[in-house]
Amino acid sequence: KQEVTQIPAALSVPEGENLVLNCSFTDSAIYNLQWFRQDPGKGLTSLLLIQSSQREQTSGRLNASLDKSSGRSTLYIAASQPGDSATYLCAVILTGGGNKLTFGTGTQLKVEL
Amino acid sequence: DVKVTQSSRYLVKRTGEKVFLECVQDMDHENMFWYRQDPGLGLRLIYFSYDVKMKEKGDIPEGYSVSREKKERFSLILESASTNQTSMYLCASRRGPPGTRNTGELFFGEGSRLTVL
Repeated sequence: KQEVTQIPAALSVPEGENLVLNCSFTDSAIYNLQWFRQDPGKGLTSLLLIQSSQREQTSGRLNASLDKSSGRSTLYIAASQPGDSATYLCAVILTGGGNKLTFGTGTQLKVEL
Repeated sequence: DVKVTQSSRYLVKRTGEKVFLECVQDMDHENMFWYRQDPGLGLRLIYFSYDVKMKEKGDIPEGYSVSREKKERFSLILESASTNQTSMYLCASRRGPPGTRNTGELFFGEGSRLTVL
C-alpha cells in the first residue's frame, strides 16, 4: 500500500526566506506527483504536476523536483511571502493504481512579517 | 482556466434527510471524483467516475451514492444523512483515461461544508 509522508507537519519562517517542503512515498512506481496548496476552509489549488519521466517543474517562485528512485519530491519556495501561508499537500498516482491518488499528510506553512 | 463549481458552500441538514451535493466542471474532463476531508484523517476518496454513467467505489463509499448523467456533472447523494457525515466535501476533475501516462492535473472545487444535526 502506497504511503505518502510530509515532513515537517508545520513550519514557521520569516518573510523572505527560501524554504523546502518534503514529500516521501513508499512505492516508486508512480505515474505522476502533484503539489497543492489549501487555504483554511477552501478547496485545493493545483501548484505543479510532475510526470514520472520528468525531474522537475517550475512555476514562478515555486520549483518541484522528483526523485523516483529515492521516493522523494521537494517543493522549493523562493523568497517566501505572508501570502504563501497555507497547507501544502502532495499526491501521487501509482502505476496500475487506476484513478486513485494517494495524498500526503500535509505541511502547514506560516510566513511571518 | 479550469473551473470546478460546487453548488453549495455551506449546508446544514437534519439526520435522516436526503442530501444532494452537485459538482460541475467546464473543461470536458473524463474523470470526476468526490472526496471528504476530516481533521486528522486527510482526504479520503468516496467515489469516482471515468465516464458518463460509469462509477467506481473509492475507499469509503458506505452511506453514499453518486450520479453522472452528463459528462460535466457529478452528484454525490447521501440517502439518509447521519451526524458522522458532517464533513468538508471536495469535488475534483481531471482529463485523461485512468492510469495512463497522459493523466493530467487534478482540479478541485471550493468545497461544500456539510453539517448534519
